[in-house]
Amino acid sequence: KQEVTQIPAALSVPEGENLVLNCSFTDSAIYNLQWFRQDPGKGLTSLLLIQSSQREQTSGRLNASLDKSSGRSTLYIAASQPGDSATYLCAVRFYSGTYKYIFGTGTRLKVLA
Amino acid sequence: EAGVAQSPRYKIIEKRQSVAFWCNPISGHATLYWYQQILGQGPKLLIQFQNNGVVDDSQLPKDRFSAERLKGVDSTLKIQPAKLEDSAVYLCASSLENLAYEQYFGPGTRLTVT
Repeated sequence: KQEVTQIPAALSVPEGENLVLNCSFTDSAIYNLQWFRQDPGKGLTSLLLIQSSQREQTSGRLNASLDKSSGRSTLYIAASQPGDSATYLCAVRFYSGTYKYIFGTGTRLKVLA
Repeated sequence: EAGVAQSPRYKIIEKRQSVAFWCNPISGHATLYWYQQILGQGPKLLIQFQNNGVVDDSQLPKDRFSAERLKGVDSTLKIQPAKLEDSAVYLCASSLENLAYEQYFGPGTRLTVT
C-alpha cells in the first residue's frame, strides 16, 4: 500500500533557527513530489515541486531534497521567521500502472519570536 | 494572474440534505482536482479531470458524491444526501496540461453537516 508519512506532527523552534521537515514514502516508483504550506483556514500554497529525476530544488530560504531509494524527502528552511509558522504538507504522485496522488498528514510548525 | 476560485467559502447543512460546491480553475489549466480534507488530516483526492474527462475517481463515494466539468472549465461537486462524516474542507486545485506541473489550490469550502 502506498503511504506518505510526516514526522514530527508538530514542531516549535526559536526564530532564526535552521530546521528540517521530513517526508517518507513507501514506494520508490514516484513521478514527482510537491511541498506545500497551509495557513489556518486557508488553501494550500505550493512551495517546491521535485520531479523524480531531480535530487533537489531551491527557492529562497527553502531547499527540498529527494532520495527515491530511501523513500525520503526533506524540506530545509534556513533562518526561520515567525511568518514561516504554518502546516507543511508533502504530496507524492506515485506511479504503479496508474497514477495516485497521496498527501502526508503534515507537520505543524511554530516559529517563536 | 487570478487564482483558483471556489464558492461558497462556508456551508452548514443538516444530514440528508444536498449541497453543491463550485470551482473555477486558473485560466488555461486543463487539469482540475477535487480534494476532501478532514480536520487534522492531509487532503484526499476525490476526482481528477483532464479537460472535461475524468482521469481518476477511484476515491469518490459514487453513491452520494458526483462531479462534473462541463466545457472543460468550471466544475461542480455535489453531495446528496450528506452524512455527518462529510464534514470537511473541500479543496479545488488546477494545473497545466500534464502531471509534471504544480498544482495550485483554491481557498476551499468548509462544510459542516449537523
